[in-house]
Amino acid sequence: AQSVAQPEDQVNVAEGNPLTVKCTYSVSGNPYLFWYVQYPNRGLQFLLKYITGDNLVKGSYGFEAEFNKSQTSFHLKKPSALVSDSALYFCAVRRDDKIIFGKGTRLHILP
Amino acid sequence: DAGVIQSPRHEVTEMGQEVTLRCKPISGHDYLFWYRQTMMRGLELLIYFNNNVPIDDSGMPEDRFSAKMPNASFSTLKIQPSEPRDSAVYFCASSLGGTGRRETQYFGPGTRLLVL
Repeated sequence: AQSVAQPEDQVNVAEGNPLTVKCTYSVSGNPYLFWYVQYPNRGLQFLLKYITGDNLVKGSYGFEAEFNKSQTSFHLKKPSALVSDSALYFCAVRRDDKIIFGKGTRLHILP
Repeated sequence: DAGVIQSPRHEVTEMGQEVTLRCKPISGHDYLFWYRQTMMRGLELLIYFNNNVPIDDSGMPEDRFSAKMPNASFSTLKIQPSEPRDSAVYFCASSLGGTGRRETQYFGPGTRLLVL
């Protein structure tokens, strides 16, 4: 069955450094993969998605994600972290008409 | 568009009471989703609708939970009777149909429910 795993509960990064939030997936067929972000006391916001095409997907707020079929990964990246990037990040995969979310990774950007 | 609207934003009730959560999706969206978020279980999909018809309610925890979508602009999630373990943040989300579009969901601000 389609699923995603986020191996890190929390990631700490110094402001200005590059950041990576990891996600691995398990799907049959072609994967549809997504990243969402949740700021404190808010609903989730869509960041980016991979359906087909280029393995490097660009999204909102300067984030990008790299689809790697051989490693079954879809890591979220940003070249230079901002304190305002501190939030809860969810990786997700499509299953039928719905999407299944990972458990989330809390990203702390340290000033 | 105002985005997905949920009410109330906060609800405190006593065990055994009926709770009704409300959602207004983005105009024109034909998919509507109800989620529950807790620290222990993360984000769970409870039920979703397409064109006002419930498609998958396999995530609804038990018969105490029910959801309706009487028209394209309104949905309710009802818990009767409520229990302390129902305490969570409940999110509504909507999206447009079509491959590659329906997965881009727009979330409301959530209803924080506390059952005493």
